[in-house]
Amino acid sequence: GAGVSQSPSNKVTEKGKDVELRCDPISGHTALYWYRQSLGQGLEFLIYFQGNSAPDKSGLPSDRFSAERTGGSVSTLTIQRTQQEDSAVYLCASSLMWTVITEAFFGQGTRLTVV
Amino acid sequence: AQTVTQSQPEMSVQEAETVTLSCTYDTSENNYYLFWYKQPPSRQMILVIRQEAYKQQNATENRFSVNFQKAAKSFSLKISDSQLGDTAMYFCAFMKRRETSGSRLTFGEGTQLTVNP
Repeated sequence: GAGVSQSPSNKVTEKGKDVELRCDPISGHTALYWYRQSLGQGLEFLIYFQGNSAPDKSGLPSDRFSAERTGGSVSTLTIQRTQQEDSAVYLCASSLMWTVITEAFFGQGTRLTVV
Repeated sequence: AQTVTQSQPEMSVQEAETVTLSCTYDTSENNYYLFWYKQPPSRQMILVIRQEAYKQQNATENRFSVNFQKAAKSFSLKISDSQLGDTAMYFCAFMKRRETSGSRLTFGEGTQLTVNP
């Protein structure tokens, strides 16, 4: 597609349920990022994938959070046993490998509400 | 670890006037990039302008320009001739330069800019 696509746009889930958030990056982009944005706050780094390298998972807030990237393209962020504090907008971004100056292109995010 | 600080949670400006948004950062790196992103109510993050740390010349993009002071670790954004469409949250961001592996973007807390008619 022309841009980074995220689905669903909005997700309401009950506390304790598992959720999966999907990110479809721009074709050919080797780097993929997940960020979390709580209401009125900045962007909190979660995880970063770059090509075939081991992902940088240092931002994941707990072991309830995990992410994978299949075939170097689509990524899924999974939150197990959701808690109310997980409510936020989850943003995905992708970029080309850093051999030249480039930018990160963002999707429109998934708004997660845990009730 | 890198940190990015935006000390102005909210700002407002009259249409057609000029406004400056502040950003400071802390890093021990010498090679890096700095960015300003805009986030309107649609949630879509849009790159406004970027600066390579090794370049002394300040970046400009039409009505947007930066004042990059590397020694002071300061990276402010100036918006000239403000327009109603400039109303948005603005984020300052930092990225280390890596030749082959790239790195994460570290964001500031954001500044909500409102342009008044």
